[in-house]
Amino acid sequence: NAGVTQTPKFRILKIGQSMTLQCTQDMNHNYMYWYRQDPGMGLKLIYYSVGAGITDKGEVPNGYNVSRSTTEDFPLRLELAAPSQTSVYFCASQPTQGGYTFGSGTRLTVV
Amino acid sequence: GDSVTQMEGPVTLSEEAFLTINCTYTATGYPSLFWYVQYPGEGLQLLLKATKADDKGSNKGFEATYRKETTSFHLEKGSVQVSDSAVYFCARMPGGSEKLVFGKGTKLTVNP
Repeated sequence: NAGVTQTPKFRILKIGQSMTLQCTQDMNHNYMYWYRQDPGMGLKLIYYSVGAGITDKGEVPNGYNVSRSTTEDFPLRLELAAPSQTSVYFCASQPTQGGYTFGSGTRLTVV
Repeated sequence: GDSVTQMEGPVTLSEEAFLTINCTYTATGYPSLFWYVQYPGEGLQLLLKATKADDKGSNKGFEATYRKETTSFHLEKGSVQVSDSAVYFCARMPGGSEKLVFGKGTKLTVNP
């Protein structure tokens, strides 16, 4: 059982470049989330989804976009990368009223 | 708004010492409470949880009791090991919501 799979694990982007962080879960969970983790700041919610075709903004959505065309996949898109988006990104999934399962993270550096 | 406050880290202990990491929350209603652990280079893993007042969550020797009167959910372990070195996050899920709100995390280092 793979759980939540994130790719890539590491990436270096130049300012202004774009990229998509992939997240896939095989547990048939309805809820999925994207968080960013900055040193000493805990986790901040970027976007979340309560099911296929439904997404909503979290606490820090600016500079990001998401889509949820299937239950399994919840990609996060950065269109114009900025140094402020240097962070570790975590995807998580959740069954209704259950605990979260996190992926292992993507470490992104924007230079 | 609703929030979770954890004690500032880092915390450094010797092996077999007693651990307490304080966590308090503000919330309306009756949230569920969680402790997550993040080992170096990994994602967060659920350590334990409690869903109502006076519940005690426990796992791997760690315990936390949901105290409604003090709005607290302190994490404790009687004898820490080097392998417990990690970052610990307290989190709450408000009643009627599935979104977790996390504290800032407390880094624990256990020395041999």
